[in-house]
Amino acid sequence: QQPVQSPQAVILREGEDAVINCSSSKALYSVHWYRQKHGEAPVFLMILLKGGEQKGHEKISASFNEKKQQSSLYLTASQLSYSGTYFCGTEDSGGYQKVTFGIGTKLQVIP
Amino acid sequence: NAGVTQTPKFQVLKTGQSMTLQCAQDMNHEYMSWYRQDPGMGLRLIHYSVGAGITDQGEVPNGYNVSRSTTEDFPLRLLSAAPSQTSVYFCASSGTGRHTEAFFGQGTRLTVV
Repeated sequence: QQPVQSPQAVILREGEDAVINCSSSKALYSVHWYRQKHGEAPVFLMILLKGGEQKGHEKISASFNEKKQQSSLYLTASQLSYSGTYFCGTEDSGGYQKVTFGIGTKLQVIP
Repeated sequence: NAGVTQTPKFQVLKTGQSMTLQCAQDMNHEYMSWYRQDPGMGLRLIHYSVGAGITDQGEVPNGYNVSRSTTEDFPLRLLSAAPSQTSVYFCASSGTGRHTEAFFGQGTRLTVV
């Protein structure tokens, strides 16, 4: 079952902040965040693990609420290069790196 | 070090034809997956593998077969192509142990007419 992302789309001016949310109805072991630019492959941003460990991008932060099965990606002081579609992927407890992605959040940063 | 290589990049098939999408990685990764990407649907998992000889179904496996005879290769076979299989297909691999970064290939754009 795909996780639910919100919002589906957002437009920002350079320097503004944004939050992208991801939620699941299942107990989660980890949440993965990727960004995809138009016509390109998704690129890894971050993994958040049950228990608090994080791996990934230094300039992007995220949170993982294990009790609520929710994660949020925080984009601060947005740059034009942040434009793209952001996907959260979730891994259920016990899965073998079986990551299920949401439908994505399209982020556009304008000058 | 090429990463994840998918071939072909583009393909047009007629309904009923079969074909194999190739995926190869040179990072000695255990885990490999196939996703399809359709507008408004995100990335949907077709099949995945946790190592040579081990495969399992994802969310949308019908109409697709996979095998993993080597660590490096994870081909995706369309048995009898249908217009509903028109999509962009991505192969991904990730390293030993769980919860590691996935590397995606550049995708194969498939059109079934």
